[in-house]
Amino acid sequence: AQSVAQPEDQVNVAEGNPLTVKCTYSVSGNPYLFWYVQYPNRGLQFLLKYITGDNLVKGSYGFEAEFNKSQTSFHLKKPSALVSDSALYFCAVRAYDYKLSFGAGTTVTVRA
Amino acid sequence: DADVTQTPRNRITKTGKRIMLECSQTKGHDRMYWYRQDPGLGLRLIYYSFDVKDINKGEISDGYSVSRQAQAKFSLSLESAIPNQTALYFCATSDWKSGLAGNVSHHEQFFGPGTRLTVL
Repeated sequence: AQSVAQPEDQVNVAEGNPLTVKCTYSVSGNPYLFWYVQYPNRGLQFLLKYITGDNLVKGSYGFEAEFNKSQTSFHLKKPSALVSDSALYFCAVRAYDYKLSFGAGTTVTVRA
Repeated sequence: DADVTQTPRNRITKTGKRIMLECSQTKGHDRMYWYRQDPGLGLRLIYYSFDVKDINKGEISDGYSVSRQAQAKFSLSLESAIPNQTALYFCATSDWKSGLAGNVSHHEQFFGPGTRLTVL
């Protein structure tokens, strides 16, 4: 069975500093990986995905993620964080039957 | 997303009551899902449907049932609500398309705004 781990419950950074949200995965076969963001009182919004190809994936709002097969990781990154990036972030992996398995989520707080 | 709507947005009910949460989408997607979100647990899949005639249990289906009334509508029912069903519930949709290279799956799911359910 596939699974996702987000080892950090919370990440705190200062505005303007780099932001990294960690994700590791376990899946049989080729991994299909996703990042979603949830703002307060909102549903989840799709940020980016890795299906195949370049290991560095670019997504919405200046976010990118790096796929590392040897480390089974898919960390989300942003070079310069904004206060408006404060939200709950979820990593997910797609199973062979097209269902998504989500991590527990990481709360990001960007202080001004 | 405005393309995926959920009603009601908030609901408070009592133990033992039967309630229904509704989801509608205008994306034209054939696949629909129901999740619940609990703090520290992420999202867990309750039920999913790949088309109108296809309904499947997810990882936590006990105490829930669903109905796919049409391609655009997918309802979740709690037969007899209990306090540990207090959670945030999300509906999601996804698409499946064929391409020249064979079946091409649009993997990402699109979520509704959620329904906050409280069972007293």
